[in-house]
Amino acid sequence: QQPVQSPQAVILREGEDAVINCSSSKALYSVHWYRQKHGEAPVFLMILLKGGEQKGHEKISASFNEKKQQSSLYLTASQLSYSGTYFCGTHGAGSYQLTFGKGTKLSVIP
Amino acid sequence: DAGITQSPRHKVTETGTPVTLRCHQTENHRYMYWYRQDPGHGLRLIHYSYGVKDTDKGEVSDGYSVSRSKTEDFLLTLESATSSQTSVYFCATSRDSLIGAFFGQGTRLTVV
Repeated sequence: QQPVQSPQAVILREGEDAVINCSSSKALYSVHWYRQKHGEAPVFLMILLKGGEQKGHEKISASFNEKKQQSSLYLTASQLSYSGTYFCGTHGAGSYQLTFGKGTKLSVIP
Repeated sequence: DAGITQSPRHKVTETGTPVTLRCHQTENHRYMYWYRQDPGHGLRLIHYSYGVKDTDKGEVSDGYSVSRSKTEDFLLTLESATSSQTSVYFCATSRDSLIGAFFGQGTRLTVV
């Protein structure tokens, strides 16, 4: 079952912040975040394991609330290069499946 | 980045014909995945493998089969292609479930 991402799309001006959410109805062991540019393959950004840790990657960070089975991706001071579609992927406890959400299209405009 | 090669990169085939897509990796990764990507659906898991000859179904496995006879190759077969299987297919690999996955460049398949 695919995790649910929100919003489906967001438009930002350079320098603005955004939050992308990912939730699952299943118990999660880990949450992955990926970014895909148009016409390219998805690229791994970061992984969060259960335990509520927060990770950072440049000005992009994420958190994982295992009690709520939710993860959020935070993009601060957005840059044009942040444009793309962001996917969360989830591993359930005891599962080898890596299942992705439908994606959130982020557009950063000057 | 992992060395992941998908072949072919583009293919047009006729309805009812069998088609095999190949994913080849040079990183000795244990886990391999096949996804299809369609507008509005994101990435949907077709099949995955957690070792040589160890495979399992994903969420959209009907009409597809896979084989993994050696670590580096993961084959996806459309037994009898249908127009609904027109899509972009991505292979991904991962050394460990605690590490991110790396994607191949994709195969654009058109079934006419």
